[in-house]
Amino acid sequence: DTGVSQDPRHKITKRGQNVTFRCDPISEHNRLYWYRQTLGQGPEFLTYFQNEAQLEKSRLLSDRFSAERPKGSFSTLEIQRTEQGDSAMYLCASSELPGLAGGPGETQYFGPGTRLLVL
Amino acid sequence: KNQVEQSPQSLIILEGKNCTLQCNYTVSPFSNLRWYKQDTGRGPVSLTIMTFSENTKSNGRYTATLDADTKQSSLHITASQLSDSASYICVVRGRTASKLTFGTGTRLQVTL
Repeated sequence: DTGVSQDPRHKITKRGQNVTFRCDPISEHNRLYWYRQTLGQGPEFLTYFQNEAQLEKSRLLSDRFSAERPKGSFSTLEIQRTEQGDSAMYLCASSELPGLAGGPGETQYFGPGTRLLVL
Repeated sequence: KNQVEQSPQSLIILEGKNCTLQCNYTVSPFSNLRWYKQDTGRGPVSLTIMTFSENTKSNGRYTATLDADTKQSSLHITASQLSDSASYICVVRGRTASKLTFGTGTRLQVTL
């Protein structure tokens, strides 16, 4: 257990429905990342926050995806009008300053992930 | 084409044996390379992080090497244990955080 928690751990939904995932990072960590991992593949970067500011977004994050971190603590990732292609594991990771995001001085601690299945 | 390629795709070894996993990357510019261990259904856990100037780094029975000239890295596991059974993912960081590129992983199974 790394200290990063995600809820729910599993979600099954029908195509077209909206879903929201929550990530609670390690309490003193300033940075929070979202990744998506499909079966047999490595994780893909979606977005990251430093405190409450969303600093980078991947092109993978279409307009159906939105992430927030309103108070610089927990974060939510919402997917609207889900599609079958959204089925994946959604991973959250957190890290603490200082150091460059993704830099050698930074260790990202991953949560257990939320596995989404869109029927 | 993935900019981080790992081999082999999967590997089965006997408990107590050593093994070496390979990672080739084309990500440029290069900032650092890290190896993660991911148990089934869990998030990845960091094993090692290496910068351009580091050639080798150890973490217990795990030793990672990096040749930044040939853009190759390896992860050597000595005296394997059943608990080493997992996917091992190579991750390369480019210029920014969004350029963290993950390999597809090597699935290692350690058997009796």
